Amino acid sequence: AQKVTQAQTEISVVEKEDVTLDCVYETRDTTYYLFWYKQPPSGELVFLIRRNSFDEQNEISGRYSWNFQKSTSSFNFTITASQVVDSAVYFCALSESNFGNEKLTFGTGTRLTIIP
Amino acid sequence: DGGITQSPKYLFRKEGQNVTLSCEQNLNHDAMYWYRQDPGQGLRLIYYSQIVNDFQKGDIAEGYSVSREKKESFPLTVTSAQKNPTAFYLCASSMVWWVGGDSSGANVLTFGAGSRLTVL
Repeated sequence: AQKVTQAQTEISVVEKEDVTLDCVYETRDTTYYLFWYKQPPSGELVFLIRRNSFDEQNEISGRYSWNFQKSTSSFNFTITASQVVDSAVYFCALSESNFGNEKLTFGTGTRLTIIP
Repeated sequence: DGGITQSPKYLFRKEGQNVTLSCEQNLNHDAMYWYRQDPGQGLRLIYYSQIVNDFQKGDIAEGYSVSREKKESFPLTVTSAQKNPTAFYLCASSMVWWVGGDSSGANVLTFGAGSRLTVL
């Protein structure tokens, strides 16, 4: 069975600080996909990134970066120079690669508050 | 613009009543999903459908029903059998692997804005 753990329930940082959101996953598949989604106060989840299990390269997109380490089954998300607009709930998710099986398993989310 | 429309945004129900939440998408996605979100529990899958006239139970399907008569629509009915229906419900859609052999969009879910159901 798949499982995603986001141990940090809530994090608060002062604006412009860097912050890392942790994600640890469990799966028996050798091929799988990992995701991060952002849920702002409006409620709609916004896709941030998808990573497959064969691509362990770190990814950077503006102030966002992701660190994927298969050895520790982690897919952590770092926001550099945080801004108030980054305040949201962030979800990590995992999907099997089976053909025709696209459903995702989500973690419980981390509520990030950026203090101005 | 393409997207997913959920309605109503807020809904109040008396105990013992069935209610139906609407979900419509114009993204031409084959797969659609319903998730339930409760505080501290993340998102849990209720039902999903990968093709018209077919759907599968997710992790918490008891007390819910769905239909998929059209590709664009995937309504969710919360029945009176659902013991604790107060929650935030999210509909999503995605491409599937077999579309054109392009997997770049497969299992990337696009979400609606959600429907908040409160049982009085």
